[in-house]
Amino acid sequence: DTGVSQNPRHKITKRGQNVTFRCDPISEHNRLYWYRQTLGQGPEFLTYFQNEAQLEKSRLLSDRFSAERPKGSFSTLEIQRTEQGDSAMYLCASREGGEQYFGPGTRLTVT
Amino acid sequence: GEDVEQSLFLSVREGDSSVINCTYTDSSSTYLYWYKQEPGAGLQLLTYIFSNMDMKQDQRLTVLLNKKDKHLSLRIADTQTGDSAIYFCAESIFGGSQGNLIFGKGTKLSVKP
Repeated sequence: DTGVSQNPRHKITKRGQNVTFRCDPISEHNRLYWYRQTLGQGPEFLTYFQNEAQLEKSRLLSDRFSAERPKGSFSTLEIQRTEQGDSAMYLCASREGGEQYFGPGTRLTVT
Repeated sequence: GEDVEQSLFLSVREGDSSVINCTYTDSSSTYLYWYKQEPGAGLQLLTYIFSNMDMKQDQRLTVLLNKKDKHLSLRIADTQTGDSAIYFCAESIFGGSQGNLIFGKGTKLSVKP
């Protein structure tokens, strides 16, 4: 499978815990994006990497969120001190030219 | 500002054509997209159109772009029950370093047998 992959697919955590998600983009794509999707809404942009450089962060990305792409390949998104409002689907996408492909997402539930 | 709007629901009978409409506000959009999302799944790229095009056809899908009115539509011919899903319109300003997508809230397509 040469598509975008994300792990884990589901994560249930207690409020206050830290969580980390991983995204493996399509191998030749140097642009990588993280989005968040809540129920009944379209995805909202969180952050963008070109290779290993994080070039853009949305105002939605609070100080509790951090993302990395250390070698310009896979990326991780960490949420510290999770809150119930963080419950959402976290989607990763990679892009080449005009085509942006999404992974299956990680569904986070904060209890 | 940037905003993408879609009607929330569409219901059609199997075999009919479906037309899903979208309006966007940013005149500098360079790519416009249609994605399909089934329950619990990620987004599947259906098709996209570059802003210097008026129409794009791909098998049962036809995309029409009216730049003057900032209106995008997706026509699905011979709609099947497997087409039932949420369809998202998105715009992208692909220039410089960004290229992130701005999505509408999605149109839920229900196909009745």
